[in-house]
Amino acid sequence: GAGVSQSPSNKVTEKGKDVELRCDPISGHTALYWYRQRLGQGLEFLIYFQGNSAPDKSGLPSDRFSAERTGESVSTLTIQRTQQEDSAVYLCASRTSTRRGAEQYFGPGTRLTVT
Amino acid sequence: GDSVVQTEGQVLPSEGDSLIVNCSYETTQYPSLFWYVQYPGEGPQLHLKAMKANDKGRNKGFEAMYRKETTSFHLEKDSVQESDSAVYFCAHIDSGYALNFGKGTSLLVTP
Repeated sequence: GAGVSQSPSNKVTEKGKDVELRCDPISGHTALYWYRQRLGQGLEFLIYFQGNSAPDKSGLPSDRFSAERTGESVSTLTIQRTQQEDSAVYLCASRTSTRRGAEQYFGPGTRLTVT
Repeated sequence: GDSVVQTEGQVLPSEGDSLIVNCSYETTQYPSLFWYVQYPGEGPQLHLKAMKANDKGRNKGFEAMYRKETTSFHLEKDSVQESDSAVYFCAHIDSGYALNFGKGTSLLVTP
């Protein structure tokens, strides 16, 4: 079946502009995560959605970052007034179960470059 | 400090060599432990996992033992192959639901 998809695959934007990144999770997956991967680094957690519960936003680095998810479908991550340090690969993952050990399935990521 | 610390940088074994990639974690509870593998241009994918102390995760000849007494989850393989070349991330889920990743180890197996 289809995996997690993300769009666009690459985005180049000028400093100060807003960007919106999209994630389509695997159908039926109730949990959805956004992570950020800076060059040569591990992944940093940004935000977690579980069903209709309030999202866990504890990983968002500043108030310029926000994310939305409608039900158990598409999610968008928005970065306002982008800065050069926002350049990274933004990865989305989804999971079907609430068990902590359940596998998270990652999309291919969106590579964001802020010039 | 970092909650997951693993062998950093690049590891360059020859095909047929044995491999150990170290991973140590900090926790206040009973985490689930994972190794994820990432190939160029792709997102990470689960490689193996262990849910409780003394569990051993296995996949494609790789193994990792959940050692609570030393808070370690080292990745081992007796004989690496060129196709094992990738970036490997150690990770855990502790009190929340998000993965906490190490910085990654780039494995490049030379023929």
